[in-house]
Amino acid sequence: DAGVIQSPRHEVTEMGQEVTLRCKPISGHDYLFWYRQTMMRGLELLIYFNNNVPIDDSGMPEDRFSAKMPNASFSTLKIQPSEPRDSAVYFCASSLHGGEQFFGPGTRLTVL
Amino acid sequence: DQQVKQNSPSLSVQEGRISILNCDYTNSMFDYFLWYKKYPAEGPTFLISISSIKDKNEDGRFTVFLNKSAKHLSLHIVPSQPGDSAVYFCAASKDFGNEKLTFGTGTRLTIIP
Repeated sequence: DAGVIQSPRHEVTEMGQEVTLRCKPISGHDYLFWYRQTMMRGLELLIYFNNNVPIDDSGMPEDRFSAKMPNASFSTLKIQPSEPRDSAVYFCASSLHGGEQFFGPGTRLTVL
Repeated sequence: DQQVKQNSPSLSVQEGRISILNCDYTNSMFDYFLWYKKYPAEGPTFLISISSIKDKNEDGRFTVFLNKSAKHLSLHIVPSQPGDSAVYFCAASKDFGNEKLTFGTGTRLTIIP
């Protein structure tokens, strides 16, 4: 049984470029979460969806960040334009009916 | 403003001894608390949780204690094993829910054989 799948696993880009991170939740799960992990702030919730609808995006740091969930099996987190301070590990997680969250392996983003 | 704080970035414990990881929170509205464990290059995985109506929850070698008046919780691992070496995140939520979790910065536990 595949868990949460994230791609790419590593992304290196230059400042000003657009970055798109992808997530496939566990089949049947109705909640999807995007987190960012940094040394200073730990794991921060950026946004979460329920049944493909964004419920809370109060953690999205700036307008440069956007997230979409066009269907139950796919979500993207986009940063445009990217900045060096966006460098972090980005995790996607999913859950069933708001229960235990299952995390993907993360995408390590480096913005030069 | 860090509402969930893990003040010890790292901790080293001898194999077989007790590991105690601490977590403090500032928001009195939090009523559900969780611990997650994270290995390198993997996502966090759920370990154990406790509701604010309890002060202790035990699952095998893992016990979580909650002191509401002090806004403090701790995770005890007894006995510690080498496989317990990981980063441990404390998390909290409101309304006994699992959706909007507020995480701490994590504590790296190293078990010395």
